Amino acid sequence: AQKITQTQPGMFVQEKEAVTLDCTYDTSDPSYGLFWYKQPSSGEMIFLIYQGSYDQQNATEGRYSLNFQKARKSANLVISASQLGDSAMYFCAMRPLGDGNTGKLIFGQGTTLQVKP
Amino acid sequence: DSGVTQTPKHLITATGQRVTLRCSPRSGDLSVYWYQQSLDQGLQFLIQYYNGEERAKGNILERFSAQQFPDLHSELNLSSLELGDSALYFCASSVASTGELFFGEGSRLTVL
Repeated sequence: AQKITQTQPGMFVQEKEAVTLDCTYDTSDPSYGLFWYKQPSSGEMIFLIYQGSYDQQNATEGRYSLNFQKARKSANLVISASQLGDSAMYFCAMRPLGDGNTGKLIFGQGTTLQVKP
Repeated sequence: DSGVTQTPKHLITATGQRVTLRCSPRSGDLSVYWYQQSLDQGLQFLIQYYNGEERAKGNILERFSAQQFPDLHSELNLSSLELGDSALYFCASSVASTGELFFGEGSRLTVL
């Protein structure tokens, strides 16, 4: 079964500190993509970062980095130097890329992050 | 701005009614995906179209249907609405089966 698990329903972090949001996944496909999206209270889904299953390096995008541990099937999001505007719901998602897959994203349940001033 | 346009942004209707949600994908994107986000079910994949053809079906109720037109815009039709259909409905598009999906701002449906 293909599944994404985010075990932290809610997290708090102090402004300017780093925070790690956990994500584990389950798939039998050898090729897949892993994504993180941010959903602020306004509702839109904002793409943050992408990691391919065959990428050797961990992905980074500005203050966002993805700690990819393939053997553990984990893809944790690290946000450095948290800002008040980072307060939002964060979703981890997977896109199986093997034969027979259509490209749909499978989402976890999300983690609500609150940044304290 | 993701380039994906969804209308209407908000919709309030009554049980038993029918509504149509519209989505215009990013220019050049052939794939359109519909997702439903509710408090108890999270983000659920409903259906995917690729260049006018249905490509994949997820947890879509029989009361719901969708189509993608020759100009690649897509519509999601929800009929015999129930209170539990109240949710945020997202459309997303992508140019290929890899890379990120670009999401619209969503259509928030409230069924009273």
